[in-house]
Amino acid sequence: NAGVTQTPKFRVLKTGQSMTLLCAQDMNHEYMYWYRQDPGMGLRLIHYSVGEGTTAKGEVPDGYNVSRLKKQNFLLGLESAAPSQTSVYFCASSNSQHYPQETQYFGPGTRLLVL
Amino acid sequence: AQSVAQPEDQVNVAEGNPLTVKCTYSVSGNPYLFWYVQYPNRGLQFLLKYITGDNLVKGSYGFEAEFNKSQTSFHLKKPSALVSDSALYFCAVRLDVGYSTLTFGKGTMLLVSP
Repeated sequence: NAGVTQTPKFRVLKTGQSMTLLCAQDMNHEYMYWYRQDPGMGLRLIHYSVGEGTTAKGEVPDGYNVSRLKKQNFLLGLESAAPSQTSVYFCASSNSQHYPQETQYFGPGTRLLVL
Repeated sequence: AQSVAQPEDQVNVAEGNPLTVKCTYSVSGNPYLFWYVQYPNRGLQFLLKYITGDNLVKGSYGFEAEFNKSQTSFHLKKPSALVSDSALYFCAVRLDVGYSTLTFGKGTMLLVSP
């Protein structure tokens, strides 16, 4: 059981470039989340999904898009990267059967640097 | 809107001493409260949660937290700190009705000295 995995682990982009971050979970969880972590700001929710084919905006969705074509995968896209998107990105998943008291399980994170 | 405040950016404690990491919350309803820990270059790990019932919640690694509704607080505690407890701790809250997302505090760095 790998849990929640994220690829890549680290990436450097130039302003204006695009990229996709991949999150995969093998726990058959319905809910998946993308957060960004910035110093002194904790974790902020970017987008989330309550099931395959569904997505919703979180607290800071601007500049990001997401897709949940398969239950086990949740993709985060940056169409035109900006230096303000330099951050550490975490994916998480949780079991909807235990909602709202369910525990979220986090991936190891992706460090993104936008120059 | 819901929010979480962790008033201390850093807490320093000597090994063997008790530790407390503070958290207060604001929600328009009954809260579900969580503590997560993050070790360097790692993702967050679940420590404990308050759902209902006993106000004192026990979690992993000897940590516990006390829910105080009147003070809207959920402070994390441990009777005897270990150097290995040094990490970044996050408090989080969500509502118990409808679909609500988890709101995290800014985090408190705990440093335990030998």
